[in-house]
Amino acid sequence: EDQVTQSPEALRLQEGESSSLNCSYTVSGLRGLFWYRQDPGKGPEFLFTLYSAGEEKEKERLKATLTKKESFLHITAPKPEDSATYLCALSDSNYQLIWGAGTKLIIKP
Amino acid sequence: KAGVTQTPRYLIKTRGQQVTLSCSPISGHRSVSWYQQTPGQGLQFLFEYFSETQRNKGNFPGRFSGRQFSNSRSEMNVSTLELGDSALYLCASRPGGSDTGELFFGEGSRLTVL
Repeated sequence: EDQVTQSPEALRLQEGESSSLNCSYTVSGLRGLFWYRQDPGKGPEFLFTLYSAGEEKEKERLKATLTKKESFLHITAPKPEDSATYLCALSDSNYQLIWGAGTKLIIKP
Repeated sequence: KAGVTQTPRYLIKTRGQQVTLSCSPISGHRSVSWYQQTPGQGLQFLFEYFSETQRNKGNFPGRFSGRQFSNSRSEMNVSTLELGDSALYLCASRPGGSDTGELFFGEGSRLTVL
């Protein structure tokens, strides 16, 4: 069964303290892996798409990487405004998105 | 360019009632998907419509239904509401049949069932 697992469930960091969020997955035919950010009371906002192992994408303080079993979202020198829930999703062989439960990131000033 | 608009934003219903939620996608987007989000289950896919046809459906009971109109606006309906239907219902649109995974979400309709 296709599955997406995100860890940790929550992560508290000091401003400037770099870290990584993990998204591990099992899928029979990966069509793509996606990262989204969700702020409280809002819908998710698209960040990145990764299609093949070894691929990397960057945007400001965020960098997403992909291996055959997992993806990492690296956050470098985060700021309080990076606080949000980060969601990982994969597109399966039927082009349906399967979502992880998310990692709630809190950046303390 | 206006984003995805969902109405109503908040609503309270009682068990047994039915509810209809509305979604206006970004202009030019022909695909609309619906998701249920709860703290325990995360984002659960309900269904996707493309050019007025249901293209995909998640594992929800028949009480959950939807439709899409010729102008790409979509509605979803939940009949015979249960307490467990309390959730944030999110609508997302994308241009068409492409599978970029880049969905544009609305702010959601928060349904509370008492």
